[in-house]
Amino acid sequence: GAGVSQSPRYKVAKRGQDVALRCDPISGHVSLFWYQQALGQGPEFLTYFQNEAQLDKSGLPSDRFFAERPEGSVSTLKIQRTQQEDSAVYLCASSAGGGLAYEQYFGPGTRLTVT
Amino acid sequence: EDKVVQSPLSLVVHEGDTVTLNCSYEVTNFRSLLWYKQEKKAPTFLFMLTSSGIEKKSGRLSSILDKKELFSILNITATQTGDSAVYLCAVEGYGQNFVFGPGTRLSVLP
Repeated sequence: GAGVSQSPRYKVAKRGQDVALRCDPISGHVSLFWYQQALGQGPEFLTYFQNEAQLDKSGLPSDRFFAERPEGSVSTLKIQRTQQEDSAVYLCASSAGGGLAYEQYFGPGTRLTVT
Repeated sequence: EDKVVQSPLSLVVHEGDTVTLNCSYEVTNFRSLLWYKQEKKAPTFLFMLTSSGIEKKSGRLSSILDKKELFSILNITATQTGDSAVYLCAVEGYGQNFVFGPGTRLSVLP
């Protein structure tokens, strides 16, 4: 069956531009997570949704980062006024239930490069 | 502050060797510890551990958690070149806050 998909797979943005990254979770999955993975580092938690509710956004690094999941399925991570330090792979994961009682399935990631 | 430390950060072995990867953590209100394998794509789930002393096993891979000493190990026996990857350890604290370690990069040479 279809897994988690993300688009675009690669994005190059000039510093100061806004970007929007999309995540399509596995159909029916309740929970959706966003992670940021810098080169050579492990993924860092950004935010978590249960259905349409954003239950934890403590990992968002600044108010330039905004995530939404208005209908409880597709999610968008938006980064305003991108900076070079935003360059990373942005991973999305979904799981069938709430929290980590259920296995997380990761998407392929979006590699963002800010020049 | 919640923290996950993995060691070694990189490891080179030959096929057939056995390896042990280490993960130690500090987290508020521990709920679970997870191991992932990451190749040139998104991490794939290996194990979730919630209880001390209970070994989880899948083929040549096994893992165990010690909640008293706050660490976990991932063992891989009879390594193969296909085991070459970054192995990530993550812990979940209260409130679905997940913290990942930096990973151990394993290279298995033929």
